[in-house]
Amino acid sequence: SQQGEEDPQALSIQEGENATMNCSYKTSINNLQWYRQNSGRGLVHLILIRSNEREKHSGRLRVTLDTSKKSSSLLITASRAADTASYFCATAGMDSSYKLIFGSGTRLLVRP
Amino acid sequence: GAVVSQHPSRVICKSGTSVKIECRSLDFQATTMFWYRQFPKQSLMLMATSNEGSKATYEQGVEKDKFLINHASLTLSTLTVTSAHPEDSSFYICSASGLQGINQPQHFGDGTRLSIL
Repeated sequence: SQQGEEDPQALSIQEGENATMNCSYKTSINNLQWYRQNSGRGLVHLILIRSNEREKHSGRLRVTLDTSKKSSSLLITASRAADTASYFCATAGMDSSYKLIFGSGTRLLVRP
Repeated sequence: GAVVSQHPSRVICKSGTSVKIECRSLDFQATTMFWYRQFPKQSLMLMATSNEGSKATYEQGVEKDKFLINHASLTLSTLTVTSAHPEDSSFYICSASGLQGINQPQHFGDGTRLSIL
């Protein structure tokens, strides 16, 4: 079952603009991860943020985590046409199963 | 980085056929592998967790006899869709976790698109 929702479901921006995607989840987590999926392909890991972390950066990516609100955001700065993809958040629970529960995803289109 | 190979990438077959999908971790030992199903424009739905040398743990609503999972070694897990029917058509993706603990990402295969005629 899905852990939560992502917002917006779809986002269309111009190249060079920033893109922000939000993720909400329902239960306590060990960590939250963001993945990218190009159409018809597998998932590529972007960033993992632990439950005791509030912000993390990787290149043009910035992730925040607010455990009190059970939400996270992914910011892509200075977007490029190649950033066009679907982006998913996924949560790892407090058990030892290692399994991830995925959000509903955001389809990002970056127009050249 | 860690590589997971999934094969085949695409399968088209007749209704009633059984289809086997392989998921291999190429450069690390995968203690746990996961199988997901994804419908068009939707998210990944976890089907089952596969642990090496033990029975798979299926998520609620997933038919164990329809989706057979075997994890015979630390580098290979297989998903067999038995007696497949058109409603089983979907995109199936595997992922693998290594020995480094829970605060590590999963590594995904490129998926298998299954089309049942």
